Amino acid sequence: GAGVSQSPSNKVTEKGKDVELRCDPISGHTALYWYRQSLGQGLEFLIYFQGNSAPDKSGLPSDRFSAERTGGSVSTLTIQRTQQEDSAVYLCASSRGGVWDEQYFGPGTRLTVT
Amino acid sequence: GENVEQHPSTLSVQEGDSAVIKCTYSDSASNYFPWYKQELGKRPQLIIDIRSNVGEKKDQRIAVTLNKTAKHFSLHITETQPEDSAVYFCAATRGAPGGSYIPTFGRGTSLIVHP
Repeated sequence: GAGVSQSPSNKVTEKGKDVELRCDPISGHTALYWYRQSLGQGLEFLIYFQGNSAPDKSGLPSDRFSAERTGGSVSTLTIQRTQQEDSAVYLCASSRGGVWDEQYFGPGTRLTVT
Repeated sequence: GENVEQHPSTLSVQEGDSAVIKCTYSDSASNYFPWYKQELGKRPQLIIDIRSNVGEKKDQRIAVTLNKTAKHFSLHITETQPEDSAVYFCAATRGAPGGSYIPTFGRGTSLIVHP
């Protein structure tokens, strides 16, 4: 079946603009995660959804970052007033939500803030 | 919070040699340790994982060992091939509300296998 998809694949924006990144998880996956990967760095956890609720937002770096998930499916990560340090690849992953269930990653959105 | 250290950052081997990547973690409550492979320009993919009640797990040329007392775990790749060239990430995970888990990743090891 279809894997996790993300859009856009690339986004270039000017400093100070808002951006929205979209994630379509695998159908039926209740858990959804957002990560950030900066050049040469590991994956940094941002936020976790179980269904439509976000019980763990501990990784969001500032209040400029927010995310929502509707219908237990699509999720949107919004970054307001973008800064150059927000430039990174934003990865989404989904899983069936169990204790040992594999997380499947999307292809990522490469965000460049100029 | 959890802290995961991963070494080495770069590993260069000849085809056919073995490769070992080591990770340490700080939170003794971590109970699940996945390893991911990320080829250049592609998404991370799970290659092997180990749970805290197991000391070793093997899948063909790949094995993972876990020492809970010392809080370290390692990835072993035998008979390396050029297609093993990629960045490998380890992770230590904590339980998340609702039954899933939240991983803390190491910074990655770039493995280069020379033909």
